[in-house]
Amino acid sequence: SAVISQKPSRDICQRGTSLTIQCQVDSQVTMMFWYRQQPGQSLTLIATANQGSEATYESGFVIDKFPISRPNLTFSTLTVSNMSPEDSSIYLCSAGGGGGAQYFGPGTRLLVL
Amino acid sequence: GENVEQHPSTLSVQEGDSAVIKCTYSDSASNYFPWYKQELGKRPQLIIDIRSNVGEKKDQRIAVTLNKTAKHFSLHITETQPEDSAVYFCAASNYGQNFVFGPGTRLSVLP
Repeated sequence: SAVISQKPSRDICQRGTSLTIQCQVDSQVTMMFWYRQQPGQSLTLIATANQGSEATYESGFVIDKFPISRPNLTFSTLTVSNMSPEDSSIYLCSAGGGGGAQYFGPGTRLLVL
Repeated sequence: GENVEQHPSTLSVQEGDSAVIKCTYSDSASNYFPWYKQELGKRPQLIIDIRSNVGEKKDQRIAVTLNKTAKHFSLHITETQPEDSAVYFCAASNYGQNFVFGPGTRLSVLP
């Protein structure tokens, strides 16, 4: 399975600012995804990060709020823009091969004041 | 779109007993069904998965069954141990894309 790291592991931010989360995989992967997990809740898919093209966003998530980059097959970033307290959550990236298992990064705990 | 339901939301069992968690899905196109275990403050970890061309899969004390006709799949843990205590999530996917997760089951194994 792929080894996935995320930076930062946690952050406290002021409302109105933006935070970029980085996700690094130790091997080339076909698929990379970004999820949000509220405390005590399930995982909600934000978007699929596509290498070389625009990300595919799920209903309720838009590019202006959550811009995503994927410059190569091992790296992706998620930016949380113009943050409000409602954006406080855990953000997780995941990676996997086509048609199969996904493996998760350790997550980024975000608190917006 | 896909909708995944999961029951029960909480489950307490005595150490050594079995635990069963059930999930249903709505999209007949879903063909990949993983189960994740998430301990407090940790990332979700894949513990077992099953594809739509298989009815059952086992890995030591863990097994998953799939009924495509009824659109439900279940996780079975035998001889439970305290370290099995965690939140378990099922998910449904179409060829490894568009994962939809169930709401989770908090399993407590009592010593």
